[in-house]
Amino acid sequence: AQSVAQPEDQVNVAEGNPLTVKCTYSVSGNPYLFWYVQYPNRGLQFLLKYITGDNLVKGSYGFEAEFNKSQTSFHLKKPSALVSDSALYFCAVRDTGNNRKLIWGLGTSLAVNP
Amino acid sequence: GAVVSQHPSRVICKSGTSVKIECRSLDFQATTMFWYRQFPKQSLMLMATSNEGSKATYEQGVEKDKFLINHASLTLSTLTVTSAHPEDSSFYICSAIYLAGKNTDTQYFGPGTRLTVL
Repeated sequence: AQSVAQPEDQVNVAEGNPLTVKCTYSVSGNPYLFWYVQYPNRGLQFLLKYITGDNLVKGSYGFEAEFNKSQTSFHLKKPSALVSDSALYFCAVRDTGNNRKLIWGLGTSLAVNP
Repeated sequence: GAVVSQHPSRVICKSGTSVKIECRSLDFQATTMFWYRQFPKQSLMLMATSNEGSKATYEQGVEKDKFLINHASLTLSTLTVTSAHPEDSSFYICSAIYLAGKNTDTQYFGPGTRLTVL
């Protein structure tokens, strides 16, 4: 069965430091991977996706993610965290089949401390 | 681009009444929209997939007679919570996928609707 794991419920980082939010997946076939961010009481905003091509994907707001097939990971990274990056981050993988549904991780709450 | 709106953003209703939530793709056409429910500090729970011009596909355990979905055009899907009860109180979020073009694999989300049933 397909699944997405975000092993950390919460990540704390100091402003200016690099941040990493972890995601691992289990799918059959080639994965379509996504990262979204959710601010309090808001919908989700698309950050980036990996479909094919370069393993390092650059997205919105300075975020990037590296697709690692051997480790089945798609960790989200940013070189220098901002307080405004504090939010809930979701990793997702597209379901197999022709329905375009997403399988979601449980989310990681990122807190960037000034 | 890829703006999705929801209306209303917040609604409070009495138990037993019905509530309609609209989801619109403002600057693109979407054959497929998704409806999610999110409980506090929890992940998204997919309720149903809405396809323009056809019946919605509901996830297991979601009551189709309680959560009525209509996708009448390429830019509008509605979710009606019928005979709402306090346990239906939640944050409802919709998403939409481009009809055509390079972003047909990406879901774009609305801002959500907070439903409180008294």
